Amino acid sequence: AQTVTQSQPEMSVQEAETVTLSCTYDTSESNYYLFWYKQPPSRQMILVIRQEAYKQQNATENRFSVNFQKAAKSFSLKISDSQLGDTAMYFCAFTPSYSGAGSYQLTFGKGTKLSVIP
Amino acid sequence: DGGITQSPKYLFRKEGQNVTLSCEQNLNHDAMYWYRQDPGQGLRLIYYSQIVNDFQKGDIAEGYSVSREKKESFPLTVTSAQKNPTAFYLCASSIVGTGPQPQHFGDGTRLSIL
Repeated sequence: AQTVTQSQPEMSVQEAETVTLSCTYDTSESNYYLFWYKQPPSRQMILVIRQEAYKQQNATENRFSVNFQKAAKSFSLKISDSQLGDTAMYFCAFTPSYSGAGSYQLTFGKGTKLSVIP
Repeated sequence: DGGITQSPKYLFRKEGQNVTLSCEQNLNHDAMYWYRQDPGQGLRLIYYSQIVNDFQKGDIAEGYSVSREKKESFPLTVTSAQKNPTAFYLCASSIVGTGPQPQHFGDGTRLSIL
């Protein structure tokens, strides 16, 4: 079974500053995908970024980037130039990449509540 | 615009009553999912379906039932056997492709007990 741990229940950052959210996971799978989802106060889950475990290059999407360390089973999210609209819950999620029953199950961490302060 | 529609936004259940949460998507996605979210918790998978007329249990399927008679629709019934149904329920969908695909979520339904 996979587990995903987000050790920071709440964080805050000043507008325009940079913040890093941590995520660690435990799995015996060799190939898998990792995701960061954002849930603003409106409650809709929005995909922020994803990383395939066999790719060594860290994924980047505009102001969002990850630091993926496979050996350490760590997948942190860096938000640069933080904006007020980044205020949300952020969830780290894992899924193995084999096909068959259960291949699309996402395992989520408990989330980190990020507040961007003006 | 394509998307996922969940209804109702708020739902109240009486003791011993079954209630059904609706989830409709017009994204032409084959796979659909139901998650439960409790305060301070991540999402937990209830049921998922990769194709019409087929679905599998997730981690917390007890007390819930689903059907998948149409590609666009994946309703979730919370039965009276679910003793603690108060939660936020999220429906999602994705394409079925090589490897896991990003899931697109609806706006959710908040279920409370009267």
